[in-house]
Order: sequence, then structure tokens, then C-alpha cells
Amino acid sequence: AQSVTQPDIHITVSEGASLELRCNYSYGATPYLFWYVQSPGQGLQLLLKYFSGDTLVQGIKGFEAEFKRSQSSFNLRKPSVHWSDAAEYFCAVGNLMGTYKYIFGTGTRLKVLA
Amino acid sequence: DTAVSQTPKYLVTQMGNDKSIKCEQNLGHDTMYWYKQDSKKFLKIMFSYNNKELIINETVPNRFSPKSPDKAHLNLHINSLELGDSAVYFCASSQPLGVPFFGQGTRLTVV
Repeated sequence: AQSVTQPDIHITVSEGASLELRCNYSYGATPYLFWYVQSPGQGLQLLLKYFSGDTLVQGIKGFEAEFKRSQSSFNLRKPSVHWSDAAEYFCAVGNLMGTYKYIFGTGTRLKVLA
Repeated sequence: DTAVSQTPKYLVTQMGNDKSIKCEQNLGHDTMYWYKQDSKKFLKIMFSYNNKELIINETVPNRFSPKSPDKAHLNLHINSLELGDSAVYFCASSQPLGVPFFGQGTRLTVV
């Protein structure tokens, strides 16, 4: 069965520092992978997605993620974090077998120190 | 011109009541979903509809009944509300195997 694991429940970084949020997935074939961000009291906004092709994908707000099949990972990175990046981040995997099912990780809450 | 809109945004109701949450998307997507986000922020799919047909029903109690009058709408009706139903409910839409776009959520509080 497909699943997504985000090992870090909370991460705290200083403003201007680099960021890496971890995501590991379990899926039998090439997955569709996504990162979403949820600000307090808001819905989920898509940051980036991977369907195929180049394993390093660029997203909005200066985020990027790298798909590593050998490690079953899709980690999210940002070279310099801004205070406005404080939010909850969700990794998700989409099912390619036609059941239109997207499984989400449990989220990582990012805190940014001024 | 909101892509996926849900109403109401907040809903406070007593146990035992029946309530509905409405969702509309103007993206022309064929597939719509309901997700439940619990107090620990865990997002779990409840239902998925494709072209008005139910595709996914994830072990949700019978008190929850989705209705899709057309491709652009997917409503969620909940009977006999319980305390444990308190959560944020998100509607989303996508093309099949496309990127899901989410609404702003409906925060349901059962007292």
C-alpha cells in the first residue's frame, strides 16, 4: 500500500538559514509526488510537484525538491528561509492506478526564528 | 474567482444535529474529493468522485453522505453529528491524476 512518512514533526530554523524537510514514500511504481504548504487557518497551497523527468523540481516561493528513487525520498529544500515561511508542510503521493487517491504525510511544522 | 470554494467556513453545532457543507469548483475538473483534517493536522481522504460517480469511500461512517449534483459541485451531508466529527473538512478537485487544488476548509465544531 502506498504511504508517506514525514519523520520530523517540528523543525525550527533561523531566518536566513537553509531548510530541508524530509519526505519518504512507499509506492510500487513511479509516484506522483507533491509538496503543499498550509498557513494557519488556511487551505493547502501547492508548492511543487513531480510527475516525471528532471528529478530536481522548482516550485513557488523559492522552494525546490529532489526526487531520489533509490532512497524513496522527495525532500523539500529552500536555501534561505523567510519568516513568512513559518507554516505546516505536507508531502503527498498520488496513486497512478486510477483510483484518484492522494495520500498525505502527517506534516512538518516549521518555525522560523527572527 | 476562487477556484475551489467551500461554505460555510466555520460551523458550530450541537451533537445529534444534521449539517451540510457545500463545495464548488470552477476549474473544469472531473474529480472532486473530501478530506478530513483532525486536530493533529493529519489529512485523510474520505470520498472521491469522478464525473459525479463515487470512486473512493474510505471507511467513513454511514452518517456521512456525499452528493454530487454535477461535476462542479460536491456536497457533504452529515447526520447525527458526534463530538468526534469535529475537524476541518477540505474539499479539493483535480483532473484525473492531476494536481489537487484545495478549498479553504470548513472548521466544524460539535458541542
